[in-house]
This record gives sequence, C-alpha cells and structure tokens, in this order.
Amino acid sequence: AQKVTQAQTEISVVEKEDVTLDCVYETRDTTYYLFWYKQPPSGELVFLIRRNSFDEQNEISGRYSWNFQKSTSSFNFTITASQVVDSAVYFCALSEVSGGYNKLIFGAGTRLAVHP
Amino acid sequence: DTGVSQDPRHKITKRGQNVTFRCDPISEHNRLYWYRQTLGQGPEFLTYFQNEAQLEKSRLLSDRFSAERPKGSFSTLEIQRTEQGDSAMYLCASSPPKDNFETQYFGPGTRLLVL
Repeated sequence: AQKVTQAQTEISVVEKEDVTLDCVYETRDTTYYLFWYKQPPSGELVFLIRRNSFDEQNEISGRYSWNFQKSTSSFNFTITASQVVDSAVYFCALSEVSGGYNKLIFGAGTRLAVHP
Repeated sequence: DTGVSQDPRHKITKRGQNVTFRCDPISEHNRLYWYRQTLGQGPEFLTYFQNEAQLEKSRLLSDRFSAERPKGSFSTLEIQRTEQGDSAMYLCASSPPKDNFETQYFGPGTRLLVL
C-alpha cells in the first residue's frame, strides 16, 4: 500500500538556523510523483515542489532545497537560514495514479516553529 | 489567475443538521478533488471529478455525503445528518487537463464544527 511517513511531528528552531524535514514513502509503482506543500495558519495548502520518480537531481529554490533518494525512499526538505514566516505545517505527499487520475497520499505533517 | 475558492470558510452546525460547501476551481481546470483533514493529520482523499463526472469515491465518503459538479465548473459537497465525527477541514483542489500527475492546487478550506 502507498504510505508517507513524516516522523517529525514538531520542530522548533531559532531564526537563521537550517532545518531539515524528513519524508519517507512506500510505493509499488515505478512511476510516481512526490510533492511538498506548506500549510500556514490560514489553512490553505500551498504547493512548493513536485518531483517525478525518474529525476533524482536535487533541487534548490532560494532558501529551499530538496533531496530525493530513491535508494532510501526519501524526499527530504531543507530550509536554509529559516525565518519566522517559515512557521507552518509542512506536508509531504505521494501521488497514486488510479483509474487515470492523481490521488495524493499525505503524511501526517511536520509543524515547524521558527522563533525570533 | 484566481486561485481555488471555497465557501463558507467556517461553518458551525448542530448534530443532525445538513450542511453544504461550495468549491470554485481555477478556471479551465477540469479535474476537481475533495479532501478531508482532521486535527493533526494530513488531508485524506474523498472524491474526484473529471469535468462533471464523479469518477472515484473513497470509502470515507459514507451515504450521508454527496458531491456534485453539475456543469463541470463549481462543485458542492453536502453532508446530511451531521455527526460530531464530521468535524474537520474540507479541502478542495483542482488541476489542469494535462497529464495524470499534474499538480493539485488547493483552496483555503471549509472548517466544519459539529456541536
């Protein structure tokens, strides 16, 4: 069965610290996509990144970077020089293509608190 | 491009009442999804529409739940005879008709509290 595990329930850091959010997934599919979403207190899920199973190159976008390792079924997310505005719940998700559409399987989320 | 919108943002109701939520997807997005998120958990898939056709319903969607997308644009999710266990955030997402792995863009959600 498809599954996403985010073992870190809550992380607390001081501003400017680097922080890594872990994501481990399980799937039998050979083709799949992984996603990260951010959920600020307002509740809306904000899309951050999508990565397909054939592309293991790391990606960097500003202070955000993602490390995808198929060998360990992990897709970790690092925020460099964290800021208070990064405080949110972050979700990792795995796509499950069933019947021609893309159903997302989410982890339980990691709540990040960045303190000034 | 306007994002996904949902109405209402908050709803408080008494047990046994019916409630209806609305979702307006991003224009030209033919795929629409409903998810439910309970406190401290990630969203869970409820149902999926491609245009006006409802193609998949999760077993989470009991007989008291019904979703429609009559003209392939906005969608409604109705819960009949609400129960306290229905209290959750109901999220709607849409994606464009490009390929099966297209990114889903989420609305702000409707937070339901059943007393």
